Amino acid sequence: DAGVIQSPRHEVTEMGQEVTLRCKPISGHDYLFWYRQTMMRGLELLIYFNNNVPIDDSGMPEDRFSAKMPNASFSTLKIQPSEPRDSAVYFCASSLWWGAKNIQYFGAGTRLSVL
Amino acid sequence: AQKITQTQPGMFVQEKEAVTLDCTYDTSDPSYGLFWYKQPSSGEMIFLIYQGSYDQQNATEGRYSLNFQKARKSANLVISASQLGDSAMYFCAMREGDSNYQLIWGAGTKLIIKP
Repeated sequence: DAGVIQSPRHEVTEMGQEVTLRCKPISGHDYLFWYRQTMMRGLELLIYFNNNVPIDDSGMPEDRFSAKMPNASFSTLKIQPSEPRDSAVYFCASSLWWGAKNIQYFGAGTRLSVL
Repeated sequence: AQKITQTQPGMFVQEKEAVTLDCTYDTSDPSYGLFWYKQPSSGEMIFLIYQGSYDQQNATEGRYSLNFQKARKSANLVISASQLGDSAMYFCAMREGDSNYQLIWGAGTKLIIKP
């Protein structure tokens, strides 16, 4: 079975540019999560969706960040305009509701560098 | 107070030896789940093992087992017969409650297996 697929794996852009990160969750999963990982702050939850609906976006750092899930098999995380402090690894994860167990399966991540 | 504490920032272990990675947690919710993830140098986050607060037995998955001591609020990961490929960062995470889908993450332990 295919796991969570993220693209691109690496993104290098210049400050001020728009960046779009993409995620395809595991088929049948009803939860999707976007995380950001940095050395300073560790792993931070940015936003999560249930059945394509955003449930909690309190982790989104600024209005420059937005996320959408137009259907069950695709989600995007957009940064506009990007800044050097946005440089990090961005992970997408998906899970299937199963009570407390609800294991999150992660994609390989997108390493973003904003110059 | 930290909800998830991993006290070992780094560990060196000889190949084929058993390894114990420490994790203590803090919650007042009687229902919670504990997770361990592995992050090798390639960057992906790999789910290893899960322990529910009501599970009667310690979880096991192949060479991974979880030493769950509820009264002490500890959930240590044990890797038997370590291999060079076990070298990675290991993260402990907790979910509080049955309907909360957010994970609280520890800072991680960097494990290096020596040949």
